[in-house]
Amino acid sequence: QSVLTQPPSASGTPGQRVTISCSGSSSNIGTNVVNWHQQVPGTAPKLLIYGNNQRPSGVPDRFSGSKSVTSASLAISGLQSEDEADYYCAAWDDSLNAVVFGGGTRLTVL
Amino acid sequence: EVQLVQSGVEVKKPGESLKISCKGSGYTFSNYWIAWVRQKPGKGLEWMGIIFPRDSDTKYSPSFEGQVTISADKSMSTAFLQWSSLKASDTAMYYCARRYCNGSSCYVGGYGYWGQGTLVTVSS
Repeated sequence: QSVLTQPPSASGTPGQRVTISCSGSSSNIGTNVVNWHQQVPGTAPKLLIYGNNQRPSGVPDRFSGSKSVTSASLAISGLQSEDEADYYCAAWDDSLNAVVFGGGTRLTVL
Repeated sequence: EVQLVQSGVEVKKPGESLKISCKGSGYTFSNYWIAWVRQKPGKGLEWMGIIFPRDSDTKYSPSFEGQVTISADKSMSTAFLQWSSLKASDTAMYYCARRYCNGSSCYVGGYGYWGQGTLVTVSS
């Protein structure tokens, strides 16, 4: 059971917009920034969003992040087949004194 | 270019010890926290702990405290993860990762640089 809760799966068709949620609490998302990582199976994770809504250079602007109180969301617009991957949210937890990851969401492009 | 290069595949028996490594290059290794992340087969990412190589300040996730030891040798620009007595449940891919920094701000939990992973298999 992960401290941050994500839906196990999401799907969409090419061109569609999909969102992935990440629910936490006052000790993590409520007081600290949220980051999102993308992992294509068989490869190392890649940072997609940092500081709630910032993109590292090279990440397309189709990817966007937002945060409200104790929840965060990752939105992907103009869905492409290459977006098929696992997505993980992450944040520092003040109670655990540790980084916590969400359980991950497997995105399928239909 | 920032790079983290990890040591190779390990196959061990239960009860054996192991130390895997993560060598950083392309930046001042001493000045940035390095994290270790576990991923069991078919499962999600689990944060194990971090180390600041300059002074070896180390923090562990409660789930991993006492189970592993994280260390670093700043002269070698290398971080380590070690076990004194492996269990079958330690079978996993282990990644090292460095925080993403933008200007003077570094983002906890936002890992912009990852090693390629070290696969550890523990089986009798």
